[in-house]
Amino acid sequence: QLQLQESGPGLVKPLETLSLTCTVSGGSISGSGHNWGWIRQSPGKGLELIGNVYYSGSPYSNPSLKSRVTISVDTSKNQFSLKVTSVTAADTAVYYCARLLGVAVFDSWGQGTLVTVSS
Amino acid sequence: QSVLTQPPSTSGTPGQRVTISCSGSSANIGNNPVNWYQQLPGTAPKLLIFADSRRPSGVPDRFSVSKSGTSAPLAISGLQSEDEADYYCAAWDDSLNGVVFGGGTKLTVL
Repeated sequence: QLQLQESGPGLVKPLETLSLTCTVSGGSISGSGHNWGWIRQSPGKGLELIGNVYYSGSPYSNPSLKSRVTISVDTSKNQFSLKVTSVTAADTAVYYCARLLGVAVFDSWGQGTLVTVSS
Repeated sequence: QSVLTQPPSTSGTPGQRVTISCSGSSANIGNNPVNWYQQLPGTAPKLLIFADSRRPSGVPDRFSVSKSGTSAPLAISGLQSEDEADYYCAAWDDSLNGVVFGGGTKLTVL
């Protein structure tokens, strides 16, 4: 059974870089032909796609965040990663990693990790 | 303000049929498949409906969508207490060139 697990610091200072990793187990990140994505949910708010990447490294980022977001894949570790630069309090959210079955179809999710931006 | 419009909340009693609306435009629902997610309290969202009306394995047929034009309402029949959750619709938006979500609807089972 496919499992995804987010990891990374739970507290990031303003203007620094948020870095998260998603470790995939129970399946190969490169063998399935899927895209892998990051979604966030601000406290008490709805869902927002940050971006996604194919195992070969073709990334897509939400236009509203594009200049600050980098999503990459490490097939040797069966992981993919997210970096968001110059964070502000508005980036405080629960961050989820997920597998994409198709466009806007996220069929497997990590449990989520809360990242707080604060000094 | 979300691109896809959902009511903030709705409620129903056990056994009842409830509908959660999701309205968009020709750039999203009108031209692309709609997907629905269920988020139980304190958990990650779960795929409930994809490609307008398909259910992943394990999702009961009590959940259904009848898409028409720029609207794709989620219907839940035979409401159960375990259906109490937040529900989100999502679709690709051709104008924004990205995935858009509804603002979410909190379903309370009375």
